[in-house]
Amino acid sequence: GAVVSQHPSWVICKSGTSVKIECRSLDFQATTMFWYRQFPKQSLMLMATSNEGSKATYEQGVEKDKFLINHASLTLSTLTVTSAHPEDSSFYICSAPRGGLGAHTQYFGPGTRLTVL
Amino acid sequence: KQEVTQIPAALSVPEGENLVLNCSFTDSAIYNLQWFRQDPGKGLTSLLLIQSSQREQTSGRLNASLDKSSGRSTLYIAASQPGDSATYLCAVDSQGGKLIFGQGTELSVKP
Repeated sequence: GAVVSQHPSWVICKSGTSVKIECRSLDFQATTMFWYRQFPKQSLMLMATSNEGSKATYEQGVEKDKFLINHASLTLSTLTVTSAHPEDSSFYICSAPRGGLGAHTQYFGPGTRLTVL
Repeated sequence: KQEVTQIPAALSVPEGENLVLNCSFTDSAIYNLQWFRQDPGKGLTSLLLIQSSQREQTSGRLNASLDKSSGRSTLYIAASQPGDSATYLCAVDSQGGKLIFGQGTELSVKP
């Protein structure tokens, strides 16, 4: 069964609104989670690393004020796309590592498809 | 900067064929390499994980090899089936959990 869940699985919103996406590890604790973005016909690109109890670290070119990340507990990270625009339409996927350093397997959520009109 | 490349970008084979998907990476300092499967519009399913100290991993009809020194990995699928049709992604972990993905190989197995 799924070990990482995401909610919602899809969302359609108007331009200018904010959208929150949740990522939960279901049967293990994750002090770190990762957020990826996948545009159509492209591969996954890492956006940011979500750290429980501290600030997220963002990859180069990702606006931290636009993509707000909160890792409030050991099983939940949220990504909020603020003032969404059509170019933010994408497939957002989170992952959580399980296991020791170097040997951990990344478990991915099922993804959230965001469409901004 | 780590870069991951997958060849071919797309592959179409008849059912029953054995096939090989290729993945190369530029920086050999990795923790591990993982192969994933992605169905259209869906998330990722982890297929095999090879630690940096390992040479290969096997699961059922799948076998993945890793040659860290040359920066290459292959995913071998034996006796392909239509249900194997999907996009296969390889990803390298060289920064403690941050995965760098290749562009994927879109596989189509014809019945």
